[in-house]
Amino acid sequence: DVKVTQSSRYLVKRTGEKVFLECVQDMDHENMFWYRQDPGLGLRLIYFSYDVKMKEKGDIPEGYSVSREKKERFSLILESASTNQTSMYLCASQREGEPRTGVPQPQHFGDGTRLSIL
Amino acid sequence: GDSVTQMEGPVTLSEEAFLTINCTYTATGYPSLFWYVQYPGEGLQLLLKATKADDKGSNKGFEATYRKETTSFHLEKGSVQVSDSAVYFCALTLGPYNNNDMRFGAGTRLTVKP
Repeated sequence: DVKVTQSSRYLVKRTGEKVFLECVQDMDHENMFWYRQDPGLGLRLIYFSYDVKMKEKGDIPEGYSVSREKKERFSLILESASTNQTSMYLCASQREGEPRTGVPQPQHFGDGTRLSIL
Repeated sequence: GDSVTQMEGPVTLSEEAFLTINCTYTATGYPSLFWYVQYPGEGLQLLLKATKADDKGSNKGFEATYRKETTSFHLEKGSVQVSDSAVYFCALTLGPYNNNDMRFGAGTRLTVKP
């Protein structure tokens, strides 16, 4: 089974701090994603990455950055945390779809990090 | 743009009742469709999937059929259990030629009472 591990289940930080959320996957997946989940809004994509050192903005990248120095690790960075970034953060990984058929693969999720910014 | 709409919850059922959670989609291409489940305090787990029209995905007694003519992928289970209480998300992706973009519905919370 695919294992996606997020470094913390619960995290409390203060406004203005730089916050790092870490995610590691063990299946050599090419693609990795960061989402935030808020009540009534579902999942919203923050950033994703197709390969080492590659990153693409999702729907709500403002206030965030990412780092992918190794294939198995994808880090989300809150440059200067604010209270409106209090949320559940979910990391996912995905094997690249078959190039011949284009059939997409499912995303596999970690257990999430519940981040509170005070 | 591509999107998923699923029925709003919460849904409350008694044990052994029949479950339907409706999901419809809008997509410009040929998406793959998924149902994910999120148990309390956990991340999302893939429940089932279907990659082309008329495919039926099934797992743990849950089923969903990819209906292209109605652009739907409704989740069903014949007899729910208390342990099925969770939030269910319908999702689509257009795959590697479309940036692997995955779109999720807002989620439907299911509570099953003994």
